[in-house]
Amino acid sequence: QQQVKQSPQSLIVQKGGIPIINCAYENTAFDYFPWYQQFPGKGPALLIAIRPDVSEKKEGRFTISFNKSAKQFSLHIMDSQPGDSATYFCAASQPDSWGKLQFGAGTQVVVTP
Amino acid sequence: ETGVTQTPRHLVMGMTNKKSLKCEQHLGHNAMYWYKQSAKKPLELMFVYSLEERVENNSVPSRFSPECPNSSHLFLHLHTLQPEDSALYLCASSHGGWEQFFGPGTRLTVL
Repeated sequence: QQQVKQSPQSLIVQKGGIPIINCAYENTAFDYFPWYQQFPGKGPALLIAIRPDVSEKKEGRFTISFNKSAKQFSLHIMDSQPGDSATYFCAASQPDSWGKLQFGAGTQVVVTP
Repeated sequence: ETGVTQTPRHLVMGMTNKKSLKCEQHLGHNAMYWYKQSAKKPLELMFVYSLEERVENNSVPSRFSPECPNSSHLFLHLHTLQPEDSALYLCASSHGGWEQFFGPGTRLTVL
């Protein structure tokens, strides 16, 4: 049973566009929601993370929006660049779980020049 | 060396072989993890070690055997694997469970 559902599976946008990736969860005990970026041949790298006590967090061109009541969160990539082409994973974990992350299935984002 | 390193980067083995994957973290973290990444599937957590003690074994078959001799090193011993075990095996580390840092992975092919 997949605890974090991620969509879409893939996304193509033009340079400057705003790809949006959505994730939904059921477990209300989750209290930590990171996003990871993975390039081919590399391990995932932490991009940005949010906790349920805030509705939005920005780091550079990356923004997480969080809707606690809907149990959904999303990643927006502002002014996307070809270098942002990668696979993005959302994840979630519970407190006192030593970081046992439940990952979404991933979204492959392609930003065309 | 910085961050999390994994060796070997690529491994091809037969079903009767025994091999080991090695992970080393240079971040002073106190928790280490093994994940399996297969195409089109979410990353699957296999094992978690906290302060060198195993705190999670996510129903992983016994043909995978982890070892954590100290807080900086993690091994995954492999024996009598199946072709469906072919995947990218990722190691990660964290301090107290937050902000996991991943290594580049070992691409395993089982023939």
